[in-house]
Amino acid sequence: IAGITQAPTSQILAAGRRMTLRCTQDMRHNAMYWYRQDLGLGLRLIHYSNTAGTTGKGEVPDGYSVSRANTDDFPLTLASAVPSQTSVYFCASSQGGGDTGELFFGEGSRLTVL
Amino acid sequence: GQNIDQPTEMTATEGAIVQINCTYQTSGFNGLFWYQQHAGEAPTFLSYNVLDGLEEKGRFSSFLSRSKGYSYLLLKELQMKDSASYLCAVRDSNYQLIWGAGTKLIIKP
Repeated sequence: IAGITQAPTSQILAAGRRMTLRCTQDMRHNAMYWYRQDLGLGLRLIHYSNTAGTTGKGEVPDGYSVSRANTDDFPLTLASAVPSQTSVYFCASSQGGGDTGELFFGEGSRLTVL
Repeated sequence: GQNIDQPTEMTATEGAIVQINCTYQTSGFNGLFWYQQHAGEAPTFLSYNVLDGLEEKGRFSSFLSRSKGYSYLLLKELQMKDSASYLCAVRDSNYQLIWGAGTKLIIKP
């Protein structure tokens, strides 16, 4: 089934540890995004990539890094996790290139930093 | 600053009609989106408006007034499965999406 796959689904992490959230899509979409969702707040963009080989910073990029080595994969890394990074993380993709911009989301990764 | 406002929570009865409002103040406008998100799941696309007026898609309709910075999502013939959060998002002049916090819709039998 075509779509976006995120891993892990859920993770508990000690503060200071390094963590990579994986995201893979098989729809050949150009653009990919990482969002965090916290209770009472709208989705907030962490980083994005308009096409393979390029990345950009979103609204809340501090403490996170991404890479886009190919079209399908867009991992998000927390270099040294802090409790404020406890959140649900969603990876998303869109065709890009002037389409309506509909986003397709992965199922989310629930991260708890203690 | 940029802002999207929508009610935090609404309650409606099965079979009825409900209207969820969204007002926005953004730097430019390049379209407004509505997404549905069931608890513990990913958001899924419902509708897209870029011109003023009403877009109808089955039981769901979305309206836009750009001059008023206003949109609503209309859900007809409510079903229990419509219990979810409804997210309003506006694409600004930089083609970045600005998201509202979502409206949690509770459907009662």
